[in-house]
Amino acid sequence: AQSVAQPEDQVNVAEGNPLTVKCTYSVSGNPYLFWYVQYPNRGLQFLLKYITGDNLVKGSYGFEAEFNKSQTSFHLKKPSALVSDSALYFCAVRDDGTDSWGKLQFGAGTQVVVTP
Amino acid sequence: DGGITQSPKYLFRKEGQNVTLSCEQNLNHDAMYWYRQDPGQGLRLIYYSQIVNDFQKGDIAEGYSVSREKKESFPLTVTSAQKNPTAFYLCANALLTGLLGEQYFGPGTRLTVT
Repeated sequence: AQSVAQPEDQVNVAEGNPLTVKCTYSVSGNPYLFWYVQYPNRGLQFLLKYITGDNLVKGSYGFEAEFNKSQTSFHLKKPSALVSDSALYFCAVRDDGTDSWGKLQFGAGTQVVVTP
Repeated sequence: DGGITQSPKYLFRKEGQNVTLSCEQNLNHDAMYWYRQDPGQGLRLIYYSQIVNDFQKGDIAEGYSVSREKKESFPLTVTSAQKNPTAFYLCANALLTGLLGEQYFGPGTRLTVT
């Protein structure tokens, strides 16, 4: 079984400050981790993914995420937030178990609010 | 939203009526998915399909049905048996051979049942 937790319903940050959105996961096999962003009344947009290799993954729009196997975490980060980064962010995981078949398990989402 | 279209964007139905949500893709991807999104609950998988004429139940399939007669189309029917159908519905797809790859999402359909 696989699960994802996003412990914060909302993150507030001032424009120009660092942004971090937290995600922890649980899988039975090796984790494949993803971050998506959703703007109001829109579909999800892919930001980045971790499959294997370097623990620091760089993605779209200046976002990056750090995979930490010992803490089972995959936190999303941006060094300097923009007002346009205000959106709903989802962490997702799948494992390489034989019954997972590419199914993604999503977290509940974290609303990011960036104030000018 | 590139490559996946969902129509209509907003849909209103009376309780007791079945309604079909459209999902079409031009990415030639094998795998297609339907998710339901409710506030504060993230996305929950309804059905998924690996290949034409084959599909599997997801975590919340009760009250829903799908078909996959063509590779590019994966319509979802919300039946009158679905007790709480009002939600935002998202269709997605992915390369079958790329289980390591990301899913691509359509723009969604917001269904309101009164």
